[in-house]
Amino acid sequence: GQQVMQIPQYQHVQEGEDFTTYCNSSTTLSNIQWYKQRPGGHPVFLIQLVKSGEVKKQKRLTFQFGEAKKNSSLHITATQTTDVGTYFCAGLISSGSARQLTFGSGTQLTVLP
Amino acid sequence: KAGVTQTPRYLIKTRGQQVTLSCSPISGHRSVSWYQQTPGQGLQFLFEYFSETQRNKGNFPGRFSGRQFSNSRSEMNVSTLELGDSALYLCASSKPGLASTDTQYFGPGTRLTVL
Repeated sequence: GQQVMQIPQYQHVQEGEDFTTYCNSSTTLSNIQWYKQRPGGHPVFLIQLVKSGEVKKQKRLTFQFGEAKKNSSLHITATQTTDVGTYFCAGLISSGSARQLTFGSGTQLTVLP
Repeated sequence: KAGVTQTPRYLIKTRGQQVTLSCSPISGHRSVSWYQQTPGQGLQFLFEYFSETQRNKGNFPGRFSGRQFSNSRSEMNVSTLELGDSALYLCASSKPGLASTDTQYFGPGTRLTVL
């Protein structure tokens, strides 16, 4: 079936270091969304990317959507302890009138003080 | 605007029993999706309901079923519970439409433990 692969599964960084998580799809995506889940919490929507090659920034977070609309990345500059959590990408696959949002497996980020 | 609410928040059942979980979407949201989250499997899509009709279905056995009411509230039922059904069940609502991107607004989840 259609899948969205996300790597790495886990990442430990020292506070102040950068962090990147990557998503890849076997199918062209209509859009890609990113979510963050804090420990003990539920996923919260961060951002969506729609256009080929799109880049969006939210303070220290930079989101990119690949030219072929099959891959995406989330980069955090100078991580802080508040960045701890699991980051999920979710790709929207449209086929005719059918739409399916498929989540990646998530990257669990630990930030060491 | 109130967020997505789920009841109950915690549930303990024994193998073989059945369980019903409830989800109230954000006002105005007509689509409700259900996900199962476990440490080993991540977020697994169960099904989506829109206007009282199941629109999408994930790869789960028939023991998992759902429905949506005319007010968009949704219920999910799991029959003949197995130990492996222990998980966090998340409900998410969205406001699909021609210009929509199906952004999911998640509820706090129901933590189901099967003993």
